[in-house]
Amino acid sequence: QKEVEQDPGPLSVPEGAIVSLNCTYSNSAFQYFMWYRQYSRKGPELLMYTYSSGNKEDGRFTAQVDKSSKYISLFIRDSQPSDSATYLCATINAGNNRKLIWGLGTSLAVNP
Amino acid sequence: DTAVSQTPKYLVTQMGNDKSIKCEQNLGHDTMYWYKQDSKKFLKIMFSYNNKELIINETVPNRFSPKSPDKAHLNLHINSLELGDSAVYFCASSQVLDNSPLHFGNGTRLTVT
Repeated sequence: QKEVEQDPGPLSVPEGAIVSLNCTYSNSAFQYFMWYRQYSRKGPELLMYTYSSGNKEDGRFTAQVDKSSKYISLFIRDSQPSDSATYLCATINAGNNRKLIWGLGTSLAVNP
Repeated sequence: DTAVSQTPKYLVTQMGNDKSIKCEQNLGHDTMYWYKQDSKKFLKIMFSYNNKELIINETVPNRFSPKSPDKAHLNLHINSLELGDSAVYFCASSQVLDNSPLHFGNGTRLTVT
């Protein structure tokens, strides 16, 4: 079992839709959770960064962490064509050299 | 101003050659990394340096040798290139080696023919 599981998609939605992206993880030692967005031919950029269970909101983006289920989500409201990218979840194993553990990334296309 | 810059952007070379990729960050971060992203988009860490000291050295062939002349630079030298080395290589930096977010460069797309 991979340490972080993420469905690679692709996911295709119409403009304005609510998008739900999800990851599951296996190790309860994982403490910090991040979502990165990667446009084609660019490096990943940090979107959201959370520590505790619960929701964190930033504009149209909401990150949700459920540590009891080992489940993390990213919701995008009123999705735009400019949101079309690959979204990668990542977490840090506090007890393992603080290495980032990455999901495979989900490819999202928002169609006008 | 580009925070993490790496050169070249594209690199096409033949098997057996030796090549280098350079990376510089102007964020004042202490930690720098090299990642490899394969055709399936999976990001795999190769190395990390903290204040010029090697911290993480994943199972990478010893044909790959990182060099950090100062904490703002981390270069990657690859000897005897193989077809399987074709990938996108990303440099990244973070404030410290713990839960700090990473800042990535835009990648070097290496193609070995």
